[in-house]
Amino acid sequence: GQQLNQSPQSMFIQEGEDVSMNCTSSSIFNTWLWYKQEPGEGPVLLIALYKAGELTSNGRLTAQFGITRKDSFLNISASIPSDVGIYFCAGLRNYQLIWGAGTKLIIKP
Amino acid sequence: DVKVTQSSRYLVKRTGEKVFLECVQDMDHENMFWYRQDPGLGLRLIYFSYDVKMKEKGDIPEGYSVSREKKERFSLILESASTNQTSMYLCASTSGGSPSSYNEQFFGPGTRLTVL
Repeated sequence: GQQLNQSPQSMFIQEGEDVSMNCTSSSIFNTWLWYKQEPGEGPVLLIALYKAGELTSNGRLTAQFGITRKDSFLNISASIPSDVGIYFCAGLRNYQLIWGAGTKLIIKP
Repeated sequence: DVKVTQSSRYLVKRTGEKVFLECVQDMDHENMFWYRQDPGLGLRLIYFSYDVKMKEKGDIPEGYSVSREKKERFSLILESASTNQTSMYLCASTSGGSPSSYNEQFFGPGTRLTVL
């Protein structure tokens, strides 16, 4: 099945740094989603995007739905230790979500 | 508080064994999903169900079957487990909606299955 191209695969950052990750696809999606998975847990929805060009924030997180409807990015400002985890993008087509491979965020002490 | 529970957090089975993974949700959701999660591959959909006794194949249904006898329960069955089915299995549920709309998927904590 089709997958989204998510990058980077992992990130090692210092506490306080800003983080940026993105997802691209060769196909159009009507909805883009960003999930976070913490160790030992299932993914939890962070942000949902419904319109091309839409920019949505959730606290220190900001996500955008690309104007071509084929990409999306997620930014995290001023990272803190509890931001560690795996971040997934997902695109909605009919009833199904198509998932990126994930970006693992590690914060250096 | 919404809740999706999975019967086991960790499971170790032998090649050829029949394996049952159970998922229960308490949100009266119509749709339920089984995914497997492997490093570098993200989540891949195995099967989903949009109603009791209904099931649809996802992207990787081979080697798996499912059962939905009650609305709140969705079971994943490995008829004859193989080592390449060693993975993290995640169950999710969502309320019904049109194909063009999104209703948030709520996930269980996952079952890490090891097949020896």
